[in-house]
Amino acid sequence: DTGVSQDPRHKITKRGQNVTFRCDPISEHNRLYWYRQTLGQGPEFLTYFQNEAQLEKSRLLSDRFSAERPKGSFSTLEIQRTEQGDSAMYLCASSAQQTGHEKLFFGSGTQLSVL
Amino acid sequence: GESVGLHLPTLSVQEGDNSIINCAYSNSASDYFIWYKQESGKGPQFIIDIRSNMDKRQGQRVTVLLNKTVKHLSLQIAATQPGDSAVYFCAENIRPGQNFVFGPGTRLSVLP
Repeated sequence: DTGVSQDPRHKITKRGQNVTFRCDPISEHNRLYWYRQTLGQGPEFLTYFQNEAQLEKSRLLSDRFSAERPKGSFSTLEIQRTEQGDSAMYLCASSAQQTGHEKLFFGSGTQLSVL
Repeated sequence: GESVGLHLPTLSVQEGDNSIINCAYSNSASDYFIWYKQESGKGPQFIIDIRSNMDKRQGQRVTVLLNKTVKHLSLQIAATQPGDSAVYFCAENIRPGQNFVFGPGTRLSVLP
């Protein structure tokens, strides 16, 4: 499968614990995005990378959230000291930089439940 | 702030009929739009895109219409099938390299 891959698909954790999610983008894509989606809502932008550089972060991304893309390939999103309000679907998307706008392709997401 | 929105939160259509899903956007600077389909438990799936220098684009059974005058986007699905049942999102992009802003979505239910 050459699509965007996310792991794990589901994560249940207790409040206060740290969690880390992984995203493997489509191999030739140099841009990688993280979005968060709650039930009945559209995805909300969190952050994005161009290669290994983190170029933009949303105000939604509190200091408990950190994302990395150390080698410009896969990315991780870590949430420290999780809160119940962090429960959501975390979506990763990738695109290939080209002249003009690019299409975003999404993974299946990681569903986080904070108890 | 400016955001993407939808006129109808739910839409039910008979199998075989055509579906029209609408989206209103408020950011006049947006110049690229994508429609996504999202099935339960899955990530959004790209359907079709359109740039602001176009007013219509056709794909396989789908057509996107863009009316910049009234800042309106629509997705037309011809001969709707049960497999089309999903939530549909429009997303807008102001310029290349910027993030996409998504609307809240419309749930399409196809009745037998």
